[in-house]
Amino acid sequence: EAQVTQNPRYLITVTGKKLTVTCSQNMNHEYMSWYRQDPGLGLRQIYYSMNVEVTDKGDVPEGYKVSRKEKRNFPLILESPSPNQTSLYFCASRAAGSSYEQYFGPGTRLTVT
Amino acid sequence: GENVEQHPSTLSVQEGDSAVIKCTYSDSASNYFPWYKQELGKRPQLIIDIRSNVGEKKDQRIAVTLNKTAKHFSLHITETQPEDSAVYFCAANSGSARQLTFGSGTQLTVLP
Repeated sequence: EAQVTQNPRYLITVTGKKLTVTCSQNMNHEYMSWYRQDPGLGLRQIYYSMNVEVTDKGDVPEGYKVSRKEKRNFPLILESPSPNQTSLYFCASRAAGSSYEQYFGPGTRLTVT
Repeated sequence: GENVEQHPSTLSVQEGDSAVIKCTYSDSASNYFPWYKQELGKRPQLIIDIRSNVGEKKDQRIAVTLNKTAKHFSLHITETQPEDSAVYFCAANSGSARQLTFGSGTQLTVLP
């Protein structure tokens, strides 16, 4: 089954404790992105990657890091989480070419206290 | 970069009535405009999209219209049903990597 998976689905952590949210897709997609969803603000892109070892900042990259060492994986790293990073996070992937359809993961609900 | 504005933020309609959600975009180079539906606790899923070379596209009860001159596009849902209740996001592609910029979302509630 074609899918995008994320782990963990729920995470409660404390300020300053490094964490990683994993994202994996099995569709051989070139493009992968991370979004955060906050009430009234929609989906805002954090980082995206066009292929292995190619990443770039989205609209709200501050406080986040990413890496793309393998085509299928695109982890999101918060090295020193703060309460304003409490949010719902979605990973998404799409194929290169003329189709822009994005496939979203199930989401990760992060709470930073 | 691209800026996408979406209105209204909330919309309530009676079952069977029509619903219209509108979005405007700023980047005249944008050429792909999808609409995503997000049910409570679920991930966003594509319901319909339109490219800039057409003005309207329909799929059963949903349709999207695009006015490139005015830089706005709209989602139309006819004969609404309770299962249409969800948050709807519009988006437009932008940038050298043709990434999607999303609107802020519309909470649609269909009242039985």
